[in-house]
Amino acid sequence: DAKTTQPPSMDCAEGRAANLPCNHSTISGNEYVYWYRQIHSQGPQYIIHGLKNNETNEMASLIITEDRKSSTLILPHATLRDTAVYYCIVSARAGANNLFFGTGTRLTVIP
Amino acid sequence: GAVVSQHPSRVICKSGTSVKIECRSLDFQATTMFWYRQFPKQSLMLMATSNEGSKATYEQGVEKDKFLINHASLTLSTLTVTSAHPEDSSFYICSAQGQNNYGYTFGSGTRLTVV
Repeated sequence: DAKTTQPPSMDCAEGRAANLPCNHSTISGNEYVYWYRQIHSQGPQYIIHGLKNNETNEMASLIITEDRKSSTLILPHATLRDTAVYYCIVSARAGANNLFFGTGTRLTVIP
Repeated sequence: GAVVSQHPSRVICKSGTSVKIECRSLDFQATTMFWYRQFPKQSLMLMATSNEGSKATYEQGVEKDKFLINHASLTLSTLTVTSAHPEDSSFYICSAQGQNNYGYTFGSGTRLTVV
């Protein structure tokens, strides 16, 4: 699996957009970008994934650069409940590979 | 949506005893499940891949005789920590592929404390 690089921590004001970057410069053509988050003492929660195109769902938006070497997860209106560790993972089609977690970004939403 | 149930949520056991952790896919069949371990302030580390009807595949450095995995049905995988020691105290998490074939669903985790 390709390696990802994320900042260790970020703060965001409540109600503002949280933009979490991820570098994956060695990503292969068949690898997706997945984002999960882990709230303290819980199992990781799936947020969103994408291959080439930008994606949006009810939780977040995912912006992938044209060269696919980096991506940004956007939480449009952060709430206190969004405080968590966010993991960016690149992996080929689900079911064919395991998910290997890096160190992630600890996002703290500040009131 | 896909739900993975993990039990128990926390367990305390004495050194030398064994502990079994269950991971169930509630509304879908999972031919493959994954077991992770997470130490405080660290990321999840994959321990093994559990395959229904066959032997589990262990990651390098994980003792297969200590961490017994059984995946006897399409909805249940168990992890047994045998002869537990305090250094086995950790947060154990299972996951399975969701119905949509692209996301993994994780259990809520099991906090194991060995005293």
